Amino acid sequence: AQRVTQPEKLLSVFKGAPVELKCNYSYSGSPELFWYVQYSRQRLQLLLRHISRESIKGFTADLNKGETSFHLKKPFAQEEDSAMYYCALGGGSYIPTFGRGTSLIVHP
Amino acid sequence: KAGVTQTPRYLIKTRGQQVTLSCSPISGHRSVSWYQQTPGQGLQFLFEYFSETQRNKGNFPGRFSGRQFSNSRSEMNVSTLELGDSALYLCASSSGTAKAYEQYFGPGTRLTVT
Repeated sequence: AQRVTQPEKLLSVFKGAPVELKCNYSYSGSPELFWYVQYSRQRLQLLLRHISRESIKGFTADLNKGETSFHLKKPFAQEEDSAMYYCALGGGSYIPTFGRGTSLIVHP
Repeated sequence: KAGVTQTPRYLIKTRGQQVTLSCSPISGHRSVSWYQQTPGQGLQFLFEYFSETQRNKGNFPGRFSGRQFSNSRSEMNVSTLELGDSALYLCASSSGTAKAYEQYFGPGTRLTVT
């Protein structure tokens, strides 16, 4: 069975500090991992996918198959990064499995 | 391309009533999924429709049902509403094919049951 774990419900940092949002997954096949973000009063939107190996808004995420992790990182947090972040795993069921989400608060 | 649209955006219903929510996917997308989002439970998967057939189903009671039309538009119905059904209901569309799991979400329908 697919499973996604985001161990932190809330992550609070100051502007300019590094950020790491943790995501661990459980899946026996070849995983496809995503990060989605939901800003206040906006719709849930795709932030990045591991296949693209891209950096979006300064965020990066590396798939570590050995540790079954896909942590989201940003070296210097900005206030506008405050949002709810969801890690999602794509697999054989065609439906991404979402984690419970981590609320990131960046203080000025 | 126009994004995913959902109607209505807000709805207030009374316990025992039923409700129908509508979702129009991105043009060309054949998969529509429905989620319930609450502060306590987060994002919970309800069901997915692909080419008018329910392909996946989450762990919700039979009061929650859906359907998809030939133009890929989808409706979700909740019968005999309970207070606990108050939530934001999100619809998401995708191409629905393997190796294309990214989903595009609508703004949601905020359902309040009194």
